[in-house]
Amino acid sequence: AAGVIQSPRHLIKEKRETATLKCYPIPRHDTVYWYQQGPGQDPQFLISFYEKMQSDKGSIPDRFSAQQFSDYHSELNMSSLELGDSALYFCASSSLGSEAFFGQGTRLTVV
Amino acid sequence: DQQVKQNSPSLSVQEGRISILNCDYTNSMFDYFLWYKKYPAEGPTFLISISSIKDKNEDGRFTVFLNKSAKHLSLHIVPSQPGDSAVYFCAALSGSARQLTFGSGTQLTVLP
Repeated sequence: AAGVIQSPRHLIKEKRETATLKCYPIPRHDTVYWYQQGPGQDPQFLISFYEKMQSDKGSIPDRFSAQQFSDYHSELNMSSLELGDSALYFCASSSLGSEAFFGQGTRLTVV
Repeated sequence: DQQVKQNSPSLSVQEGRISILNCDYTNSMFDYFLWYKKYPAEGPTFLISISSIKDKNEDGRFTVFLNKSAKHLSLHIVPSQPGDSAVYFCAALSGSARQLTFGSGTQLTVLP
């Protein structure tokens, strides 16, 4: 069965650079979530989209933005990267009222 | 303020015995609860869920119990296997929201 696909799996960026993470949800899922998990921390909710519209916003820095496209894939754009942005970034998708399935994550390292 | 709490950061169980992972929540708007299993550097893997209209859901070795009056749910794994060793996250969802709220996780270690 198709799962949530995230790309890239690993990314190394320098401080002040920009990074773009991509998420391809499970077909026919209408909701996409983004989470950030720092070393030794719980997954922190960043933002979600329902039917291509921003739905909920969590602890997402102003330097980050995200959108969901017509084909339902989503991109998380991160600018002016800081060392503290190094984390695992997870994307999940669901349809209303059902389980959310996660991708394998993108490990971002800022040096 | 954490809306979903897993008060035990770790749990060790002998292989073949029952593992019981607990989760408490405070937001009465939550109506759907999920358990995820996570290995290091991998995405959370969905295990089992339960709707607030039920008090039990079973899937193989995994059973989730929900006590709405106590705002408490638990995951039972019977029998526990060494491959079950991972971090288990409890998560909650309200019907109208698009945000999964996670607990802090419990590291389960199943000893052979």
